[in-house]
Amino acid sequence: SAVISQKPSRDICQRGTSLTIQCQVDSQVTMMFWYRQQPGQSLTLIATANQGSEATYESGFVIDKFPISRPNLTFSTLTVSNMSPEDSSIYLCSVQQGAPGTEAFFGQGTRLTVV
Amino acid sequence: GENVEQHPSTLSVQEGDSAVIKCTYSDSASNYFPWYKQELGKGPQLIIDIRSNVGEKKDQRIAVTLNKTAKHFSLHITETQPEDSAVYFCAASGSTLGRLYFGRGTQLTVWP
Repeated sequence: SAVISQKPSRDICQRGTSLTIQCQVDSQVTMMFWYRQQPGQSLTLIATANQGSEATYESGFVIDKFPISRPNLTFSTLTVSNMSPEDSSIYLCSVQQGAPGTEAFFGQGTRLTVV
Repeated sequence: GENVEQHPSTLSVQEGDSAVIKCTYSDSASNYFPWYKQELGKGPQLIIDIRSNVGEKKDQRIAVTLNKTAKHFSLHITETQPEDSAVYFCAASGSTLGRLYFGRGTQLTVWP
């Protein structure tokens, strides 16, 4: 399985500011995803991070609010922009090493609190 | 898109008893069904998965069954231990994009 390092593990941010979350994988992976998990809730897909091109966003999520980069096959960033208290959540990076429909692994998450 | 329903939302069992969590899915094209365990403050951990060409899979104390006709799959944990206490998520995937659709989760508590 892939080893995923996600930074920071937690942060407390002022409203109106932005936070960039990093996801580093120890091997090249085919697909990288970003999820949001609100307190006590399930996982909601924000976007698929595409290497060398713009991310593919799910309904309800837009690039201006959640810009994503993926410069290579082992690294991606998610920025939460112009934060409000409603953005307080756990943000999770997930990777798949093989073809779609193969095992997906998760980082430990970033617990974000916006005050 | 796919819709995954998971029941129950909470489950309490005595140590040594069995626990069963059930999920249904809506998209007949889904062909991959993983289960994740999430402990407090950690990311989800893949514990077992099953593909649509298999009806049952077992790994020590955990097993998963799949009924494609009914669009139903279940997680079975036998001889439960307190360290099994966590939130369990089922998921389904079938599109070429590889995305997972998650159930709402089951908080399992195993009492010693």
